[in-house]
Amino acid sequence: DGGITQSPKYLFRKEGQNVTLSCEQNLNHDAMYWYRQDPGQGLRLIYYSQIVNDFQKGDIAEGYSVSREKKESFPLTVTSAQKNPTAFYLCASSIDGDRGTYEQYFGPGTRLTVT
Amino acid sequence: EDQVTQSPEALRLQEGESSSLNCSYTVSGLRGLFWYRQDPGKGPEFLFTLYSAGEEKEKERLKATLTKKESFLHITAPKPEDSATYLCAVCNYGGATNKLIFGTGTLLAVQP
Repeated sequence: DGGITQSPKYLFRKEGQNVTLSCEQNLNHDAMYWYRQDPGQGLRLIYYSQIVNDFQKGDIAEGYSVSREKKESFPLTVTSAQKNPTAFYLCASSIDGDRGTYEQYFGPGTRLTVT
Repeated sequence: EDQVTQSPEALRLQEGESSSLNCSYTVSGLRGLFWYRQDPGKGPEFLFTLYSAGEEKEKERLKATLTKKESFLHITAPKPEDSATYLCAVCNYGGATNKLIFGTGTLLAVQP
């Protein structure tokens, strides 16, 4: 079954600790994305990557970092510099948009709670 | 500024009571408009892509339509299992390829 997996489903951390969220896809998609979702707000883009070893900041990249060493994997690190890290984090992927399709497919999400 | 606005914020229907959700957008040029369904605590599930005004797509009880300024998601004879948050997003020319701009969603509750 092709799809996107995120782990863990729930994550609890103490303030001041870095934490890494996993995202893997077996859809052979070129592009991958990280969003955060907060109550009452639309999904906000953190980082995206259109090709291996390259990524760009989204609208709210401060306090986050990513890597894209493999096509299938796009882990997100929430650093201690992120002022309000508690949120629902969603990973997505899409076929290269230059081929004329732009829909993104989402993973099940990771709920991060920092206390 | 590119923007997506969804209305209403919440909608409660009786089973079988048809209605429509609205997504209005202002973008410099539309590459595509997308509808997603999101259940509580889960990731959004892709429903439809619309590319040009006049286009329509259907899936079971859902039908999406597109004009130059807005899109509607029509729900015909809804069932309780249609209860979810429905998200609208657009991809525009001039922005980064593949970057989607999301609305805040419409929370739909269908009562038996």
